[in-house]
Amino acid sequence: AQSVTQLGSHVSVSEGALVLLRCNYSSSVPPYLFWYVQYPNQGLQLLLKYTSAATLVKGINGFEAEFKKSETSFHLTKPSAHMSDAAEYFCAVSDRSNYQLIWGAGTKLIIKP
Amino acid sequence: GAGVSQSPSNKVTEKGKDVELRCDPISGHTALYWYRQSLGQGLEFLIYFQGNSAPDKSGLPSDRFSAERTGGSVSTLTIQRTQQEDSAVYLCASSTNAGGTEAFFGQGTRLTVV
Repeated sequence: AQSVTQLGSHVSVSEGALVLLRCNYSSSVPPYLFWYVQYPNQGLQLLLKYTSAATLVKGINGFEAEFKKSETSFHLTKPSAHMSDAAEYFCAVSDRSNYQLIWGAGTKLIIKP
Repeated sequence: GAGVSQSPSNKVTEKGKDVELRCDPISGHTALYWYRQSLGQGLEFLIYFQGNSAPDKSGLPSDRFSAERTGGSVSTLTIQRTQQEDSAVYLCASSTNAGGTEAFFGQGTRLTVV
């Protein structure tokens, strides 16, 4: 069965520093991969997705993620953190056979001034 | 509709009462998901619909929880004999079944059991 692991329930970075949120999946076949963001008291919205085109995927708000098959990873990065990036980030994987979404536990990103 | 619509947006109920939460997915979306999000917690999967059938209902926490979907569209999540631990935000999402398409989320129903 598919599974998704997000390392670190909380990640704290200084404003202007690199953001790195980790996501690893388990699958024998490269799945579809997604990152979602949830701002405080709001619903989830899609940041970016990987669907087997380019391995480096660019999303909204300056975020990007790189699919690495050899590492079964899809880590989310942003070169320079802004205060407005403070939110919870969820990684999800979709099986290519049944399309059901499997979710990571989420990582809360804290931005220090 | 333009997006996933959930109603009510807020619900306060007394312990022991039954509640129904409604999700109206995006038109044409065959997949529908229910999740629960307790305060400060991640997404807890409840049930997944493919059309009107539920191939995965493994996340329903007890037999007090049930869900149905009719006409491949609207879904209702019912919680019977509510308990205080049922207090959470209940999120609904829908997607097409085409590969690589993302799920679109509603704003959720905040359920408070007093």
